[in-house]
Amino acid sequence: GESVGLHLPTLSVQEGDNSIINCAYSNSASDYFIWYKQESGKGPQFIIDIRSNMDKRQGQRVTVLLNKTVKHLSLQIAATQPGDSAVYFCAENAGGTSYGKLTFGQGTILTVHP
Amino acid sequence: NAGVTQTPKFRVLKTGQSMTLLCAQDMNHEYMYWYRQDPGMGLRLIHYSVGEGTTAKGEVPDGYNVSRLKKQNFLLGLESAAPSQTSVYFCASRPSGGAGEQFFGPGTRLTVL
Repeated sequence: GESVGLHLPTLSVQEGDNSIINCAYSNSASDYFIWYKQESGKGPQFIIDIRSNMDKRQGQRVTVLLNKTVKHLSLQIAATQPGDSAVYFCAENAGGTSYGKLTFGQGTILTVHP
Repeated sequence: NAGVTQTPKFRVLKTGQSMTLLCAQDMNHEYMYWYRQDPGMGLRLIHYSVGEGTTAKGEVPDGYNVSRLKKQNFLLGLESAAPSQTSVYFCASRPSGGAGEQFFGPGTRLTVL
């Protein structure tokens, strides 16, 4: 089956730097993508999402970019803070009658050093 | 609103024992999902439900059963636990309709000895 994957399992940055977390997907039928943040011992928390008819979406300090040509998704975090340290997951929805099911990537560990 | 809650938070079982994990949501969501998360891996879908009285298999359903007798509750059962079922289990819910955010519970950490 098709799955979502991440290029880098770990990312280490200094406080104040911008962070970029990448994700590759293989299902060309996917029409919705979402990023979650998971802190140690907690459930995933929604960060931002994007539909396939868009190529960029911005939130507070976060931006998601979607490149359907190369099936690539990225999460940019501006002015990264120690509180941003967590595991970040991308996930995709295959569209159609999938009942909102999400396929998750393996995750990227982001560590922010003060 | 409490959102999505899960009980218990932790549990240790011996091989062959059975248990039920409870997920409850107070957001009147139609869809509910059970995932497992293993070290170094993303979440994998076990079973899901698109409404009261309905359930369906996900990616890794073997060894698990589920029930959705009430809209707000989604139960995950292990009839005969195996060490391979040692994992962190997450429940999620969302409204019906097209794709959108799933709301997650805090998780249940299960160890099978």
